[in-house]
Amino acid sequence: GAGVSQSPSNKVTEKGKDVELRCDPISGHTALYWYRQSLGQGLEFLIYFQGNSAPDKSGLPSDRFSAERTGGSVSTLTIQRTQQEDSAVYLCASSLALAGGSDTQYFGPGTRLTVL
Amino acid sequence: GIQVEQSPPDLILQEGANSTLRCNFSDSVNNLQWFHQNPWGQLINLFYIPSGTKQNGRLSATTVATERYSLLYISSSQTTDSGVYFCAVNPGSSNTGKLIFGQGTTLQVKP
Repeated sequence: GAGVSQSPSNKVTEKGKDVELRCDPISGHTALYWYRQSLGQGLEFLIYFQGNSAPDKSGLPSDRFSAERTGGSVSTLTIQRTQQEDSAVYLCASSLALAGGSDTQYFGPGTRLTVL
Repeated sequence: GIQVEQSPPDLILQEGANSTLRCNFSDSVNNLQWFHQNPWGQLINLFYIPSGTKQNGRLSATTVATERYSLLYISSSQTTDSGVYFCAVNPGSSNTGKLIFGQGTTLQVKP
């Protein structure tokens, strides 16, 4: 079946604006993860969803970042009042893992965010 | 938190050569994955290997969990193997599946 998809593939915004990034996981995958990849920090975990709940938000860098997941499927990562340091590639991954477990994660192509 | 270190940071090979990439981790893990990030940025699964040895074509991986390291072997390298190879672990202390990534090994295979 289809892999993880993300949209948009590229987003350029001005400092201070809000942005929404979307992730469509592999059908049937209950676990969904957001990561970001930046030159200075490498690949970092942001947030984990099991179904529609987010039991681990420990990687969100500030309260300007939030995410939700609806219907156990699509997830949206929202960044409010964007700053230049938010520029990065935002990656979404999904897996079959049940709550508390770990399993192979499959990654989407990412959204490249540039904040001017 | 757990530390994940990959070596070497950069590697240049001639096509046809073999190589070994290493991943050391500082604490127990629930799982370990190897990824290849291609020049377009896509992270491609290579292995899910919390322990033991697996092989897939020209690639194989071995994880020795008790000694906290994993090795990725690439044989008869091809130019399409170029890119960044990441090791990522799910810490043993975690009750979610989140992955902690190493800094990667950048591989360039020359024709």
